[in-house]
Amino acid sequence: NAGVTQTPKFQVLKTGQSMTLQCAQDMNHNSMYWYRQDPGMGLRLIYYSASEGTTDKGEVPNGYNVSRLNKREFSLRLESAAPSQTSVYFCASTPRGLMGEQYFGPGTRLTVT
Amino acid sequence: LAKTTQPISMDSYEGQEVNITCSHNNIATNDYITWYQQFPSQGPRFIIQGYKTKVTNEVASLFIPADRKSSTLSLPRVSLSDTAVYYCLVGDRPGNTPLVFGKGTRLSVIA
Repeated sequence: NAGVTQTPKFQVLKTGQSMTLQCAQDMNHNSMYWYRQDPGMGLRLIYYSASEGTTDKGEVPNGYNVSRLNKREFSLRLESAAPSQTSVYFCASTPRGLMGEQYFGPGTRLTVT
Repeated sequence: LAKTTQPISMDSYEGQEVNITCSHNNIATNDYITWYQQFPSQGPRFIIQGYKTKVTNEVASLFIPADRKSSTLSLPRVSLSDTAVYYCLVGDRPGNTPLVFGKGTRLSVIA
């Protein structure tokens, strides 16, 4: 099992560019999440998907869109990147029925100049 | 969502037991308490979860009093490798109410 994988690991964008962060899990988990973490801060939830075919906003959804492509994959898209979106992005997944035991990916470090 | 309050930072010497307390005064009946550990440049890692009384695993113990308005994560005999940020989270099942991470407690273990 690879667990939760994220691509790319690092990315530098110019203001206004777009990109998609990819996340996949091979644990047959139902719920998937996207978080961002700024220096010295905790994680803030951007979007989540409780099950295939559903997505919901978290604390900080503005400037992002998501797609739950299938049960395995949950992508995060920045349509027009801004410097305020410079952060580390973590994807996570959770099996149904187990509250809180989230499995996290290694993160994507994004810099917007 | 139940809000949690933890100390911002703690220091400890190697070999000591460390107790990190989390306050969650408005915890709901269906809420569980979960602790995560995060090392620099890594995603958080699940440590332990509980609903009431005491839970122990190979890594830590979690103490929850009867009123459930607080909880204490206990790390026995810490080593330098336990230096990390520890997050206390309170919430219902995933998909109903997604977990909210606060700023956590930064534990520094000193030789």
